[in-house]
Amino acid sequence: GENVEQHPSTLSVQEGDSAVIKCTYSDSASNYFPWYKQELGKRPQLIIDIRSNVGEKKDQRIAVTLNKTAKHFSLHITETQPEDSAVYFCAATDGYALNFGKGTSLLVTP
Amino acid sequence: GAVVSQHPSWVICKSGTSVKIECRSLDFQATTMFWYRQFPKQSLMLMATSNEGSKATYEQGVEKDKFLINHASLTLSTLTVTSAHPEDSSFYICSARTGGGGTYEQYFGPGTRLTVT
Repeated sequence: GENVEQHPSTLSVQEGDSAVIKCTYSDSASNYFPWYKQELGKRPQLIIDIRSNVGEKKDQRIAVTLNKTAKHFSLHITETQPEDSAVYFCAATDGYALNFGKGTSLLVTP
Repeated sequence: GAVVSQHPSWVICKSGTSVKIECRSLDFQATTMFWYRQFPKQSLMLMATSNEGSKATYEQGVEKDKFLINHASLTLSTLTVTSAHPEDSSFYICSARTGGGGTYEQYFGPGTRLTVT
């Protein structure tokens, strides 16, 4: 089955700096890669996603890159703000169930 | 659009009792619903996948007789934790998907916090 590795597990940045979270996947059949933000006790919220036919996607301060050959994808958050503090999960799927990474706890300090 | 609700949002029950959690898609028909369990500071672990009108598919290590899943309609799936024990205490989250192949996005419910005493 699919195995998704996510790094780092914790990340602390100063407000205004950039944050990068990286994930690798094992199943070459995976073709959809969403990123979720989860605040404590709440549901995961989709923040950006990318499909395997695209190498990069951007939405304001958030971008995702995908390298299919190397089987890795990354989340980039620029100009971080304290409200970006949360746990971020990457996931991969071939259209069936989502396989989640273990999560990255991001702390943005003012 | 694409709203998923869960009920109850939290529940406390005594060891040995059963608890039912409902997951509803409010404004779309969900052909497939997924049930996840999340322990504190951990990731979401898929428990089972349910398709409307058919038996759920359970992930390895998940006891199907303990976690009963029913997907009786295109807008409702239920998870029943039978003979609950303290180790079943967790955050249970459902998600729903609208279509089949090519439809990837899942919409998550708000989760149910189960505490077994």
